[in-house]
Amino acid sequence: DTAVSQTPKYLVTQMGNDKSIKCEQNLGHDTMYWYKQDSKKFLKIMFSYNNKELIINETVPNRFSPKSPDKAHLNLHINSLELGDSAVYFCASSQLAGESDTQYFGPGTRLTVL
Amino acid sequence: AQSVTQLDSHVSVSEGTPVLLRCNYSSSYSPSLFWYVQHPNKGLQLLLKYTSAATLVKGINGFEAEFKKSETSFHLTKPSAHMSDAAEYFCVVSRGSTLGRLYFGRGTQLTVWP
Repeated sequence: DTAVSQTPKYLVTQMGNDKSIKCEQNLGHDTMYWYKQDSKKFLKIMFSYNNKELIINETVPNRFSPKSPDKAHLNLHINSLELGDSAVYFCASSQLAGESDTQYFGPGTRLTVL
Repeated sequence: AQSVTQLDSHVSVSEGTPVLLRCNYSSSYSPSLFWYVQHPNKGLQLLLKYTSAATLVKGINGFEAEFKKSETSFHLTKPSAHMSDAAEYFCVVSRGSTLGRLYFGRGTQLTVWP
């Protein structure tokens, strides 16, 4: 009964390829997020969706495109992968998009671009 | 603007001794503050959060943190470290808006010696 799940857990691919990471939450939350954790473990938000509507879009290359087919899912598609995209990507969800709402994180997807 | 500074990148303690992980924040207004823990190759788990209620916040696994507005600090403490506490700890501040954007500190790696 995993609350926030991501697939795949590991993803190894060549430069220039296109790949997707999927995220699902079974908490009934309205808001979902994507975060990137770099090699120094620094976490930064990339996107946030509330009720399938994009509400946060940080300075992220447009090669990254989130898609939310419904409130329980938020997928991340990455085109033309680059070496610098190698990182751990975390999905998270919260009941609402308020400052005090607890965000629940998935286990992460480790992306390695060769 | 919001930012978080974790004053120590690494902290080492012996099992059974107290833990202190330091965090200072800057915010234009009273923020919500969180501590998350990340065990190796795992996702992030919420330890505790402060949302302008009691300044001393108790969390899971015996951790607590005290919000000190005058010092703009939110240090994490535990009276007695356990081997299972070894992990990366993140101090996090939330922006005062309805968007749920989290700002992460750089993390503190806690090592617990037997």
